[in-house]
Amino acid sequence: DAGVIQSPRHEVTEMGQEVTLRCKPISGHDYLFWYRQTMMRGLELLIYFNNNVPIDDSGMPEDRFSAKMPNASFSTLKIQPSEPRDSAVYFCASRLYDQGGYGYTFGSGTRLTVV
Amino acid sequence: GQSLEQPSEVTAVEGAIVQINCTYQTSGFYGLSWYQQHDGGAPTFLSYNGLDGLEETGRFSSFLSRSDSYGYLLLQELQMKDSASYFCAVRDHNYGQNFVFGPGTRLSVLP
Repeated sequence: DAGVIQSPRHEVTEMGQEVTLRCKPISGHDYLFWYRQTMMRGLELLIYFNNNVPIDDSGMPEDRFSAKMPNASFSTLKIQPSEPRDSAVYFCASRLYDQGGYGYTFGSGTRLTVV
Repeated sequence: GQSLEQPSEVTAVEGAIVQINCTYQTSGFYGLSWYQQHDGGAPTFLSYNGLDGLEETGRFSSFLSRSDSYGYLLLQELQMKDSASYFCAVRDHNYGQNFVFGPGTRLSVLP
C-alpha cells in the first residue's frame, strides 16, 4: 500500500498564476478530503468527496479555488489566480467509511508558496 | 459551529508521562480523534474515542468524557521521538464525515 500520494511536494509560483495540486487516494477508500494548514488558521477542511461526488465544499475560500475528482483514484485542487495569502501546506487525506477508528490517512502534503 | 481548545505547548522529560487535554463545543458530537504531526510531516492518526472511557494503544492512551465535552491524550514513557504537535479532532454528525481539528499542542521532550 503506497499510501496517499500527493504531487508536487513543493510548488513556488508567482501571484496570478494557476496552480494545480494532485492527489491519489488509497485504493478502495471512498472518502477524500482536502485540507489546508497554516500557522494562523491551523488545519482547515476545504472540501470532501464521497465516491467521487463533492459532499461539502463550504470550506473553499472563494471562487478562485476549485476541486474535482473525475475517478476514484485521482483528485485535483486548482487555484486560479493564485495569491500570496494562498501560501500554505495543502494536504489530501482519504479513509474508508467502514474503517474502524475513523482515522484518516494523510498524504505528505504540497507546500505552496505564492510570491 | 464547533470549537476545540488545547494547550499550545507542553514540555516534559524523557521517560515521563504527559497528558494533553482537549475540550470541545459542538451540537452533534459523534467522536474524538487524535493525530500526531512531526515538523514538516503529515498528520498521523493515533486514536479514536466514540464512547466514554479509556482506549489504550501501546504507550499512548486516549480518554473521553462526553458529559464533560472533554478528552485527553496520555503519553507514557516519553521518548525524544514523541516531540511533535498533537491535534484533537471532533466529528459532529451534523457535518457528515468531516472532522474539525483543534489548534494543536506542541510537545517538546527534553533529555
